[in-house]
Amino acid sequence: KQEVTQIPAALSVPEGENLVLNCSFTDSAIYNLQWFRQDPGKGLTSLLLIQSSQREQTSGRLNASLDKSSGRSTLYIAASQPGDSATYLCAARHYSGSARQLTFGSGTQLTVLP
Amino acid sequence: EPEVTQTPSHQVTQMGQEVILRCVPISNHLYFYWYRQILGQKVEFLVSFYNNEISEKSEIFDDQFSVERPDGSNFTLKIRSTKLEDSAMYFCASKTGEENTIYFGEGSWLTVV
Repeated sequence: KQEVTQIPAALSVPEGENLVLNCSFTDSAIYNLQWFRQDPGKGLTSLLLIQSSQREQTSGRLNASLDKSSGRSTLYIAASQPGDSATYLCAARHYSGSARQLTFGSGTQLTVLP
Repeated sequence: EPEVTQTPSHQVTQMGQEVILRCVPISNHLYFYWYRQILGQKVEFLVSFYNNEISEKSEIFDDQFSVERPDGSNFTLKIRSTKLEDSAMYFCASKTGEENTIYFGEGSWLTVV
C-alpha cells in the first residue's frame, strides 16, 4: 500500500527566503505526482503535476522535482512571500485498477513572515 | 477559469439522517471523484466514477455511501444514516480523459451532531 510522507510538518521562514518542501513515497511505481496548495478551510488548488517520466516541472516561482528511484519529490519555492502561507500537499497517483487514485501526504504548513 | 463547484459549503445534520452532497464538475471532464478529509487528517480517496459507473472505491466507501450522476452536469454523494465519524470535509474532483491534472472543488463541510 502506498504511503506518502511530508517533512517538515510545519515551516516558518522570513519573506524573501527560498525554501524546499519534501515529499516521499514508498511505492516507486507511480504514474504521476501532484502538488497542491490548501488554504485554511478551503479546497485544494493544483500547483504542479509531474509525470513519472519527467524529472521536474516549473511554474513561476515554483519548481517541483521527482526522483522515482529514491521515492522523493521536492517543491522549491523561490523568493517566498506572505501570500505563499498555506498548507502544501503532495499526492502520488499510482496504478490501481483503472482509476489511479491519489494518495496524499499530511502536508507541510508553511508560514512566510513579513 | 473553469472550476469544480460544490454545494452546500457547510451542512450540519443529525446523526442517522441522510445527506446529499452535490458537485458540478468541469464541463468537459470525464472522470469524477470524491475524497474526504477528517479534521487534522490526510485527504482520503473515497470513490471514482467514469462512464456512468463506479470504477474504483476505497474500503471507506461502504454500503452507507452511494454516488450518482443524475444528469449531464451534476455528480452527487449520498451518505445514508450518518454517523458522528462521517464529520469531515468532502471534496469533489474531476479530470479530462487526456490531461492528468485532477481539479478539486472547494469542499463541503459536513458536521454530524
